[in-house]
Amino acid sequence: GIQVEQSPPDLILQEGANSTLRCNFSDSVNNLQWFHQNPWGQLINLFYIPSGTKQNGRLSATTVATERYSLLYISSSQTTDSGVYFCAVTRRGGGSNYKLTFGKGTLLTVNP
Amino acid sequence: GAVVSQHPSRVICKSGTSVKIECRSLDFQATTMFWYRQFPKQSLMLMATSNEGSKATYEQGVEKDKFLINHASLTLSTLTVTSAHPEDSSFYICSASARQGRGYTFGSGTRLTVV
Repeated sequence: GIQVEQSPPDLILQEGANSTLRCNFSDSVNNLQWFHQNPWGQLINLFYIPSGTKQNGRLSATTVATERYSLLYISSSQTTDSGVYFCAVTRRGGGSNYKLTFGKGTLLTVNP
Repeated sequence: GAVVSQHPSRVICKSGTSVKIECRSLDFQATTMFWYRQFPKQSLMLMATSNEGSKATYEQGVEKDKFLINHASLTLSTLTVTSAHPEDSSFYICSASARQGRGYTFGSGTRLTVV
């Protein structure tokens, strides 16, 4: 199956700092999403971004499908940004069920 | 936007009993739903694909007789953990897509503790 690798595994920031999270994937994808898992376990969809660039407030994401990676940018980080960030993909041509494969996540801690 | 509701959010049960978890798509129809399991500090692992009107498709290593999945309607899938044991304690979470394969929404998850 498709492999999804995220880096870094852990990241500690001071409030106000900027950061970049990376997601590499091993095959062509027709779906890529970035999620934030809050301390209660809820997965919040940040971006649906199989290609191109999107921005939503302090967050933005870029996926370069031809080079099989995606980046999530967090600017002016806040303590509420803390949590685990997951990248998840479905492989192009992966069948009618479109199974979503997750990376191992990046644990972000933003200190006041 | 697409909303997926999952209940209960937390359940504690005795070893040997069964627990049912519900996953509902509130504002869209979902012919396919997915069930995941997440252990502490780990990623989400797909357990099974729930197909409306037909049998679920289980991932390798997942016991289909222990984790019963029923997808009786286009908006409801249930996961029943049968004869639960402490090692079944975990966070279970479901998902569905309003546009097949294009953007998935997740339920809020169920934290199961078997004592």
